[in-house]
Amino acid sequence: DGGITQSPKYLFRKEGQNVTLSCEQNLNHDAMYWYRQDPGQGLRLIYYSQIVNDFQKGDIAEGYSVSREKKESFPLTVTSAQKNPTAFYLCASSIEGGQGAYGYTFGSGTRLTVV
Amino acid sequence: KNQVEQSPQSLIILEGKNCTLQCNYTVSPFSNLRWYKQDTGRGPVSLTIMTFSENTKSNGRYTATLDADTKQSSLHITASQLSDSASYICVVRRTGGFKTIFGAGTRLFVKA
Repeated sequence: DGGITQSPKYLFRKEGQNVTLSCEQNLNHDAMYWYRQDPGQGLRLIYYSQIVNDFQKGDIAEGYSVSREKKESFPLTVTSAQKNPTAFYLCASSIEGGQGAYGYTFGSGTRLTVV
Repeated sequence: KNQVEQSPQSLIILEGKNCTLQCNYTVSPFSNLRWYKQDTGRGPVSLTIMTFSENTKSNGRYTATLDADTKQSSLHITASQLSDSASYICVVRRTGGFKTIFGAGTRLFVKA
């Protein structure tokens, strides 16, 4: 079955650590996105990529980094520069760029907690 | 400012009852509006999409309406089931600038 897979489901980070969240899709979608979800707020865009080897900052990119070396993969690194990283992180993909004009397929999310 | 406001924040209903969730937006220029369902600890799943010319769209027991003049949308759930317990997110996309704005969601609890 085609889909988008995020791992791990739960992740714990110590102060000062960098951690990497995985996102893989087999939908042959060109565009991929990372969103952050906090209680009581709408999803906020961290980074997006419309094509391999290219990505753009979203609204809250500070303290995060990404890479897009393969069409299927779009990992997100939460660096120690992100001062409040505890949140639910969602990866999404769509058949073209333009921030999901034809809708998103979302992964199941990764819950990151700082300990 | 492009915003999407949803109400109520949370709602509790008895199984079998109907309910309506509201979405008001100030996004302009408007491209389309989607409703997503998000189960706890999962990613959102699309329920409906409506463009400017559409004023109603159904998906089983879910019916979405859109009034593009007043910039309001609603999601009506008929004969609710326990599995309808979830967050429902209104998402509006604008044309030009490729901007998608998410509402904060309505948390629906269906009780037996």
